[in-house]
Amino acid sequence: GQQLNQSPQSMFIQEGEDVSMNCTSSSIFNTWLWYKQDPGEGPVLLIALYKAGELTSNGRLTAQFGITRKDSFLNISASIPSDVGIYFCAGQVRGAQKLVFGQGTRLTINP
Amino acid sequence: DGGITQSPKYLFRKEGQNVTLSCEQNLNHDAMYWYRQDPGQGLRLIYYSQIVNDFQKGDIAEGYSVSREKKESFPLTVTSAQKNPTAFYLCASGHIRDRINTEAFFGQGTRLTVV
Repeated sequence: GQQLNQSPQSMFIQEGEDVSMNCTSSSIFNTWLWYKQDPGEGPVLLIALYKAGELTSNGRLTAQFGITRKDSFLNISASIPSDVGIYFCAGQVRGAQKLVFGQGTRLTINP
Repeated sequence: DGGITQSPKYLFRKEGQNVTLSCEQNLNHDAMYWYRQDPGQGLRLIYYSQIVNDFQKGDIAEGYSVSREKKESFPLTVTSAQKNPTAFYLCASGHIRDRINTEAFFGQGTRLTVV
């Protein structure tokens, strides 16, 4: 299947710190999506991106669709305890008809 | 209430039995997906459907079957041919606009345990 490389795999930070994670691929994407998953629950959509270069914010979250269409990043500013969870990137490869997911970034916050 | 519903939340089956997981959406979404998630892992695509009466294999379709007889329903059957069926199964749905899959929304998942 299509490969999405998501990094880092895990992050351990202090409350109040900013967080950055990204996804890269060798394929060109039409869509980039960012999700958060809490234990035992389905992923919840955070941000959707559809145009190269697009920068979108949702509260303390900011995500960008890379200019090359092969990458995307998600930033979280001033982290709080409820930000703990697993963050996934996902996207549709140009010419394909399915959504593929990264392996996830597990975020842990020390109070 | 609009949304996507998976049932049941927890399911136990004996080895060798087929089991069907339900997924229903009332969002009028064209596309529906089934993913499998193992502990500490990402989501792997099992099957997806873009339109009624049509579906395609994902990356790990072996041992699974689906049907899409209605737009709002996309049940997944885990057959006895699936070697390691114990996992967390997630269903999702989303619109298609100009052949582009837009944001997909997930159900709450079904945790299947085969004993």
